Parts: sequence; C-alpha cells; structure tokens
Amino acid sequence: QKEVEQNSGPLSVPEGAIASLNCTYSDRGSQSFFWYRQYSGKSPELIMSIYSNGDKEDGRFTAQLNKASQYVSLLIRDSQPSDSATYLCAADTGTASKLTFGTGTRLQVTL
Amino acid sequence: NAGVMQNPRHLVRRRGQEARLRCSPMKGHSHVYWYRQLPEEGLKFMVYLQKENIIDESGMPKERFSAEFPKEGPSILRIQQVVRGDSAAYFCASQAGAPDTQYFGPGTRLTVL
Repeated sequence: QKEVEQNSGPLSVPEGAIASLNCTYSDRGSQSFFWYRQYSGKSPELIMSIYSNGDKEDGRFTAQLNKASQYVSLLIRDSQPSDSATYLCAADTGTASKLTFGTGTRLQVTL
Repeated sequence: NAGVMQNPRHLVRRRGQEARLRCSPMKGHSHVYWYRQLPEEGLKFMVYLQKENIIDESGMPKERFSAEFPKEGPSILRIQQVVRGDSAAYFCASQAGAPDTQYFGPGTRLTVL
C-alpha cells in the first residue's frame, strides 16, 4: 500500500510565526510532490510542487524534499489568519500520474 | 482562462437512484482524474481518463461506479443505485499531460438520503 502520512493537527501558530508542515511517503518510486491548501467546504488549491531534492521557495512558502529520507515539508513564513486551512501533501506515484494524498494537517493561525 | 468546471455543485439523491457528475477540464487539458473525499478523510484516487480511454480505474469500486470521457463533451462519473455510503465530495482534476500539475474543480457534493 503506497501511503502518504501527515500529522492531522491541529497545528496552532501565532500570526507572524513560521508554520512547519511535514509529510512522509512510502513509495520510493514517487517523483513529484505537491502541497495543496483546502479551506473547509472548498476544493484543493495548489500551493507548491517540488520534484528535486532541496528547497524551493515561492513567496512566503518554501517546500523541502529529501528523497533519501522520503520526507517532504512546507514552511509558511509570516503566517496570516488567512493561512488557516487544511494542507494536503500529495505524491505522484509515477503510475499514470495519479496522486496519493495524506489526510491533511489542519493549520490554525491565531491573532 | 476558465478553470476546471464541475456540475452540479450539490446533488441530492435517494437510495437506489442514479447520480451523474460532470467535469469539463481546463482548456488544453486532455487528462482527467476523479477523486472522492469522504467526510473527515483524505482525497482518494478513483479513475484516470483521457479522451475516449480509461487509463487507470484501480480506485473505482467494482460495482455501481463507471466513468467516461467522450470525444466531445465533459467527463462523466456515474453512480448507479446510490447508497448512503456514497455521500461524499467528488472532485475532478485536469492535467495538460503527465507529469504535470493537476488542477482541481470545485467539486460535487453528493448527499444520499
């Protein structure tokens, strides 16, 4: 069973702090990794994609990938209340590009 | 640039009825994926289609569920003889080509009474 694991949270951080979200995956054949944000009752919205080991930065977001450890993370700098949502980690299994999702980490940014 | 469209957004069916969910991919995208999200659970892959072809249906329940993506028109996910356990949010995602980012539609929330 190919799995993606996330801590369900909630992860609570104060406004302006750094939020750190983590994810591990079991399929060593996975090549592509994605972070989606999902507000309650809404559809997943792509935040970041990462394909190579190392860091990838986009604005306040940084994705980190370590294939040897089978670990993906998402850092959100200067967290805002509008960042409060569930963050879904997904791995492309490489087979027909279907995505395997974690159950998501709920982030709460407090004032 | 229109995104992925799904309709209806909300669908209520009684047990035993049929549900038809439609998905129109983004312009230029020829790959469609269907995912199901049960309450308080993660997204689960159901089926991957290209025009007129089912590429991978390994996530589809063996009975009552079918999907198609005809040459013309939207992709359709069909659920026959719905049961209460089918109540969920069904999301469609489209992709220009593998491996590429999948973009999700707004979803259809199915409620089975």
